[in-house]
Amino acid sequence: DAKTTQPPSMDCAEGRAANLPCNHSTISGNEYVYWYRQIHSQGPQYIIHGLKNNETNEMASLIITEDRKSSTLILPHATLRDTAVYYCIVRTDSWGKFQFGAGTQVVVTP
Amino acid sequence: DGGITQSPKYLFRKEGQNVTLSCEQNLNHDAMYWYRQDPGQGLRLIYYSQIVNDFQKGDIAEGYSVSREKKESFPLTVTSAQKNPTAFYLCASSIQGPNNSPLHFGNGTRLTVT
Repeated sequence: DAKTTQPPSMDCAEGRAANLPCNHSTISGNEYVYWYRQIHSQGPQYIIHGLKNNETNEMASLIITEDRKSSTLILPHATLRDTAVYYCIVRTDSWGKFQFGAGTQVVVTP
Repeated sequence: DGGITQSPKYLFRKEGQNVTLSCEQNLNHDAMYWYRQDPGQGLRLIYYSQIVNDFQKGDIAEGYSVSREKKESFPLTVTSAQKNPTAFYLCASSIQGPNNSPLHFGNGTRLTVT
């Protein structure tokens, strides 16, 4: 599985957009990029995933660069409830093993 | 509502005892997984199962055992051979096969062994 690199922490003001970067320079052409988040003492929550096109759903937007070596998760209007650890993961075309790194601790402040 | 149920939420055991963590899903997913999480760290894969009566070791399987007798259930036994069993354990499931299907997680069991 391709490794991912994320900053260990980020702060964001409530109501502003939060842009979370992820580097995956060794990603293969058939590997998807997934984003999850984990609020303390809960199971990780699926946010969004994509292959090469930008994706948007009710939670967030995912922007993948043209060379696919990096991506950005955008939370358009951060709320206090978005405070969590955010994980960027790439997944192979095998049966589907996910490898979680340490993620980015996002703190949304009033 | 469909989902994954892990029980209990908190579990306490004495050192030397085996303990079994429950995981049940009603999502009709073929694949199920067990992860372990230690404080301040990401998730590490213990075991996974792609189909009933079959399972594979993950990255840290030593000291653990699993069974998959039913599609809905994937219990994890933490044996006395596991040297550092105190951790947060997470069960997950997914549709088997395509790599564009997300994992769905339960809310975890926090195991404390003293």
